[in-house]
Amino acid sequence: AQTVTQSQPEMSVQEAETVTLSCTYDTSESNYYLFWYKQPPSRQMILVIRQEAYKQQNATENRFSVNFQKAAKSFSLKISDSQLGDTAMYFCAFMTPYGQNFVFGPGTRLSVLP
Amino acid sequence: SAVISQKPSRDICQRGTSLTIQCQVDSQVTMMFWYRQQPGQSLTLIATANQGSEATYESGFVIDKFPISRPNLTFSTLTVSNMSPEDSSIYLCSVERGAGEQYFGPGTRLTVT
Repeated sequence: AQTVTQSQPEMSVQEAETVTLSCTYDTSESNYYLFWYKQPPSRQMILVIRQEAYKQQNATENRFSVNFQKAAKSFSLKISDSQLGDTAMYFCAFMTPYGQNFVFGPGTRLSVLP
Repeated sequence: SAVISQKPSRDICQRGTSLTIQCQVDSQVTMMFWYRQQPGQSLTLIATANQGSEATYESGFVIDKFPISRPNLTFSTLTVSNMSPEDSSIYLCSVERGAGEQYFGPGTRLTVT
């Protein structure tokens, strides 16, 4: 069975600074997807970024980038130039192809401070 | 992406009753998923619903408690049956739009008294 671990229950960062959220996972699969989702207080789950395991290049979406270390089974999220609107719960998630075995980590609550 | 709506957005129900939650997608999708998010917790997959077949339930979830319908490629319902206070959660539906991306509805906040 797949597991996803986020070791930082809560984090805070000053506005405009950079913060990195950690995620590790365990799987015996060779082909899979990794995601970071954001859930603000409105509770709407928003896809932040996605990484395919067979791609070595780290995914980037504007201020959000990942550091994907397949051998170490590590998938951290870096948020640059943090904004107040980034305040939310962030969930790391794992999925095998076709939506099977979709597993969420416990989440990291990020607060961006003015 | 996908536009997903859920009804109701929230409800307060009495113990022993049932609630049916609707999930509507703006385009046809093969796979739809139902999740539960208990207060302050992460998401747990309840079941996967494919059109034209029985839903597939995860360990710890049974059809008698959480019956699911999937009558077409844009709609699904989840019923929470014989509710108890332990069923108080946010229930979310999601769809996969290919390339491993899941998109979520806004959730239904259920409180059982």
